[in-house]
Amino acid sequence: DADVTQTPRNRITKTGKRIMLECSQTKGHDRMYWYRQDPGLGLRLIYYSFDVKDINKGEISDGYSVSRQAQAKFSLSLESAIPNQTALYFCATSDFGGAQGDTQYFGPGTRLTVL
Amino acid sequence: RKEVEQDPGPFNVPEGATVAFNCTYSNSASQSFFWYRQDCRKEPKLLMSVYSSGNEDGRFTAQLNRASQYISLLIRDSKLSDSATYLCVVTGGSYIPTFGRGTSLIVHP
Repeated sequence: DADVTQTPRNRITKTGKRIMLECSQTKGHDRMYWYRQDPGLGLRLIYYSFDVKDINKGEISDGYSVSRQAQAKFSLSLESAIPNQTALYFCATSDFGGAQGDTQYFGPGTRLTVL
Repeated sequence: RKEVEQDPGPFNVPEGATVAFNCTYSNSASQSFFWYRQDCRKEPKLLMSVYSSGNEDGRFTAQLNRASQYISLLIRDSKLSDSATYLCVVTGGSYIPTFGRGTSLIVHP
């Protein structure tokens, strides 16, 4: 089974709809991240969480919110989706201080299209 | 200036060639350095960490030059399966990773 899972894998929605993307991990890592990837722009950090009680904005948090329900779960919400939020979204975890240091482990991604 | 910069390529090389990518970073306090590989429409995966002393993993060699603030990745004896996008990642004092935009490599027969 995959260590980091994301649901849904693909989603098409309409402008103005509320969307939630979910991420679960079985790696036991405290740190979780949400990124979006756009062609030519690389991966950009939306939000990150270093533990259940810690939530931080990343480079491009406007229009997004997150919830860290448990160590293993980190959800990303688009309160009112707009077309320029069409992108590939990745969740990642890391185990700071572990043997692999800051290595990021990614989920398979969610392809979101906002019409 | 973007914090982490890479030449987007594509680098188009024949099988068996040696190819090198560089990545520059702007934050002199950066702590950790990595190369990730990303196949089309898939998640990035760690290729190798980059240490001050340099490190090698089979056909792949990574080096760090702190004075000039760049890291490099050398791939020897390129294989068709090496075709992918290579992402440079730098982590600063806040331990937040910053990704470069990636360098595309195409290895052809």
